[in-house]
This record gives sequence, C-alpha cells and structure tokens, in this order.
Amino acid sequence: QQQVKQSPQSLIVQKGGISIINCAYENTAFDYFPWYQQFPGKGPALLIAIRPDVSEKKEGRFTISFNKSAKQFSLHIMDSQPGDSATYFCAASILNNNDMRFGAGTRLTVKP
Amino acid sequence: DAGITQSPRHKVTETGTPVTLRCHQTENHRYMYWYRQDPGHGLRLIHYSYGVKDTDKGEVSDGYSVSRSKTEDFLLTLESATSSQTSVYFCAISRLAGVETQYFGPGTRLLVL
Repeated sequence: QQQVKQSPQSLIVQKGGISIINCAYENTAFDYFPWYQQFPGKGPALLIAIRPDVSEKKEGRFTISFNKSAKQFSLHIMDSQPGDSATYFCAASILNNNDMRFGAGTRLTVKP
Repeated sequence: DAGITQSPRHKVTETGTPVTLRCHQTENHRYMYWYRQDPGHGLRLIHYSYGVKDTDKGEVSDGYSVSRSKTEDFLLTLESATSSQTSVYFCAISRLAGVETQYFGPGTRLLVL
C-alpha cells in the first residue's frame, strides 16, 4: 500500500515552461514533506521541503504548494530548463519517525 | 554525496548466494538507512539504524539483515539472494529522525541471476 501517490509518471515540458508534479498522502500524521531530485546514476538529493504549518514555500524557481485539508502537495518548477531534466520524488515522514515514505517518482524532460 | 560511499557500486551474483553491501559515512550522523529503488515504487526503506548496534526494520525488510558496529559503517546483507532482490540500493544518513534531510549515497546496482 503506497502511502504517497505521485503523478504524473513522466512529464515533458518545453524550455521556459512550468513543470507541475503532484502528490497525495493518506496518513494525517505526516508532518514533513520533502522533494528530492535525482539525476541518472546518482543518489537522490533534497531539493526543497515544507512543513504543514505553511501553505507555500519558494526557493528560486522551485515552489511547493501544500493543501492540508486535501492531503495534497505539489512541486512547481518555473522557467523550466533542460538542466532540470531528472526524476523527482515526493516524500513524507513523521517527526521522530525514521520511516520516510516516497512517491513512485516523476521523470521530467525539459526540451530545449 | 555528503561524505557517503557505497561499495561495491555494481555487483552481479547468483541466486542463493549471500551478498553484503557496505555504506561508509564521514559525517558522524547518528541515523543511517538502507533503501531499495525499483521502477514504479520509488524508494522503499529496508532497515535503518539509530546508533551503534541499534537497528530496526523498515517497510521491506524480509530477506535482509543489517549490522552497525561503528558509527561510520552500516552493512546490508542479503542472506540468500533472490531475483526479486535485483535492484538499486541506496544508503542514506541524517542527523535527526523524521524531519531532517536525508543525504543519499551514490547507490549500488545489484543484479541477481
């Protein structure tokens, strides 16, 4: 049973466009929601994270939007660049709990 | 990769043989994790450690064991490898549990024939 559902599986965006990846979770006890970026042959690396006490967090071109009542959160990549082409994973965890749950991943391709 | 190394980076083995993967960190982080990554499943936690000799099971622990005799080393053992354990294995570390960034190693690609 996957506790974090991620969509779409793959996404193709033109350079300069907006990439949007969505995640939904089931466990209302989750209180930490990170996004990881993974390039081929590399381990995942933290991109941006949010706690449920805020509805939005922005870091450069990357924004997380969080909807606690809908149990959904999304990653927006503004002005997408070919260098953003990677696989993105959403995740969720609970304070003081080691069991972080990951979404299945979205392979993003940004065409020049 | 935040001072994390994994060895070997690639391994091919046969069904029924034991396999040990090693994770080594130079960050002195308390928590260490083993994940497997498979298409359509993202990353799934196998086992984790919250200190020397302190370990616990994750979501997909069957067929795996771990040991941590030193802060810097966390070993994952496949007691009798099966084809279903063909995967990419990632080690991760963190200072705190749950709401702290996990830093991932470069991964080990394991093929069980």
